[in-house]
Amino acid sequence: SYELTQPPSVSVSPGQTARITCSGDALPRQYAYWYQQKAGQAPLLVIYKDNKRPSGIPERLSGSNSGTTATLTISGVQAEDEGDYFCHSADLSGRDEVFGGGTRLIVL
Amino acid sequence: QITLRESGPTLVKPTQTLTLTCSFSGFSLMTSGVGVGWIRQPPGKALEWLGVIFWNDDKRYSTSLKNRLTITKDTSKNRVVLKMTNVGPADTGTYYCAYRDCTNGFCPGLSWFDPWGQGTLVTVSS
Repeated sequence: SYELTQPPSVSVSPGQTARITCSGDALPRQYAYWYQQKAGQAPLLVIYKDNKRPSGIPERLSGSNSGTTATLTISGVQAEDEGDYFCHSADLSGRDEVFGGGTRLIVL
Repeated sequence: QITLRESGPTLVKPTQTLTLTCSFSGFSLMTSGVGVGWIRQPPGKALEWLGVIFWNDDKRYSTSLKNRLTITKDTSKNRVVLKMTNVGPADTGTYYCAYRDCTNGFCPGLSWFDPWGQGTLVTVSS
């Protein structure tokens, strides 16, 4: 079955830039979506259609998708950005959806 | 305002069938382009997509679980039901339902989930 690969963790100091990658063979043909999940909470959509930001999501969060890798970038990381981030997409057919394994963002 | 809430048993015995209900408000599953998905998360692990049902009764299921899953909708009661047969300990986790609007793309098809319900924790144990 189709898989999306994320690094288990990314650590950054406050004010630095964090980049979380998501790799998948179908990403050149399918959009990537990103969700933030804080402890004990339901996931929250932070990026849709590769690089669109829902209302209420800070501008310091941005997304890109190039080749087989989608990237979530958080500029000027703040302590409140700490949590787990999951990418979401589908295989080439678009019918089998999948989430990445998740990346824990640690703010030092 | 769109809201969703999952409900069902908190404890299920192995080999039984798990039935979860997603009750929602703020939209209708008769509206073109609308869908409701199910996603689960074992304790401390990643999200896992289970399936989605669309306004036109198109249903998509996870390839690895499709033989055990059934998703149905009751538009008159604003509910979506997930049934999972022959559960085992690996099915323990938090189950979420979430709203999908795919009207700005290929529909029915892949799109984002937003918002999500609060989730319901299901434990499979004898």
